Amino acid sequence: AQTVTQSQPEMSVQEAETVTLSCTYDTSESDYYLFWYKQPPSRQMILVIRQEAYKQQNATENRFSVNFQKAAKSFSLKISDSQLGDAAMYFCAYRSPNFGNEKLTFGTGTRLTIIP
Amino acid sequence: ETGVTQSPTHLIKTRGQQVTLRCSSQSGHNTVSWYQQALGQGPQFIFQYYREEENGRGNFPPRFSGLQFPNYSSELNVNALELDDSALYLCASSNIPRVEETQYFGPGTRLLVL
Repeated sequence: AQTVTQSQPEMSVQEAETVTLSCTYDTSESDYYLFWYKQPPSRQMILVIRQEAYKQQNATENRFSVNFQKAAKSFSLKISDSQLGDAAMYFCAYRSPNFGNEKLTFGTGTRLTIIP
Repeated sequence: ETGVTQSPTHLIKTRGQQVTLRCSSQSGHNTVSWYQQALGQGPQFIFQYYREEENGRGNFPPRFSGLQFPNYSSELNVNALELDDSALYLCASSNIPRVEETQYFGPGTRLLVL
């Protein structure tokens, strides 16, 4: 079974600075998908970024980028130019590509605080 | 494009009662997954429905059951409610078996069991 670990329960960053959230995972599969979701106080889980394991290039979405290290099973999220609206819980998630096993396995989350 | 919607937003039940939560999938999506998120934790997978059939289940007892309708909307039913069932229930829709597909979440239903 796959597991996802987020070792930073809380992080804080000054507005406009850069912060990196850590995530490690364990799997025996060679192909899979990794996600970062953001959950603000409104509770809705919002997709931030996605990475396919077969792609060596790290995914980027505007101010959000990942550092995907497949051999180390590490998938960190970098947020550049942090904004007040980035304050939320951030969850790392793993998904198998196999039909019938498309469930998302989540980590325990990192609460990100933005300091004005 | 209509996003994922869930109803109700909040619900209070007493132990032993039954509850039904509803989810409408995003336009163009054929699959609904349900997750339970206890306070301060990450979501846990309950089950997934694809083409009106259960397509994978997590470690939840049989009193958690579901349905998917021809329009791809879905229900989560929980019988014999226990205090530990108090949680945020999230549904997510996607369009499998496109393996690259992402799950998009609804706003959740907060269930409190007294």
